[in-house]
Amino acid sequence: DVKVTQSSRYLVKRTGEKVFLECVQDMDHENMFWYRQDPGLGLRLIYFSYDVKMKEKGDIPEGYSVSREKKERFSLILESASTNQTSMYLCAIQSGSRYEQYFGPGTRLTVT
Amino acid sequence: GQQLNQSPQSMFIQEGEDVSMNCTSSSIFNTWLWYKQDPGEGPVLLIALYKAGELTSNGRLTAQFGITRKDSFLNISASIPSDVGIYFCAGQSGTASKLTFGTGTRLQVTL
Repeated sequence: DVKVTQSSRYLVKRTGEKVFLECVQDMDHENMFWYRQDPGLGLRLIYFSYDVKMKEKGDIPEGYSVSREKKERFSLILESASTNQTSMYLCAIQSGSRYEQYFGPGTRLTVT
Repeated sequence: GQQLNQSPQSMFIQEGEDVSMNCTSSSIFNTWLWYKQDPGEGPVLLIALYKAGELTSNGRLTAQFGITRKDSFLNISASIPSDVGIYFCAGQSGTASKLTFGTGTRLQVTL
């Protein structure tokens, strides 16, 4: 079974705080993705990574950064959290040879 | 970014009924994926389709890759209460690893 874990299921942070969301996989997959999901807007890609230390911007990278120092770990960083970043954050992994993505359980972040 | 059009947006059905939903695009896709998402959880992959015309089943679920490569269909037979959730389609085109997601179909099952 594919296992993708996310560091927290629920998180409450204050405006201006630096927030780290971590995603860990046990499948040795090359590709990792961070999405946010909002009602009416669906899944939107923030950043993705093809390999260690490599990152590419998705559709909505503003206000976010990422880090991938080890193959199994992909972190999403909110440098200075804002209320409009309140959302469900989903991490996904993908093998380099197939297009199926497998999602973690999600982190519901509330910024107050 | 682009989103795929899913239809219907929501469905209320009785337990035991069959369900059909579809996903359409103006672009051609090489891969179609179907996911189910329970409230507060991440999407779970149900079925993956790789060839135009392909019909694939997973238990009571059957999905088809449209022959035009611009659409895909998901059927659920004899629905049960645990089928409740949001069903998403996703498509992949070209050599890109990124997926384009549908807007979702919310399914509710009444006893």
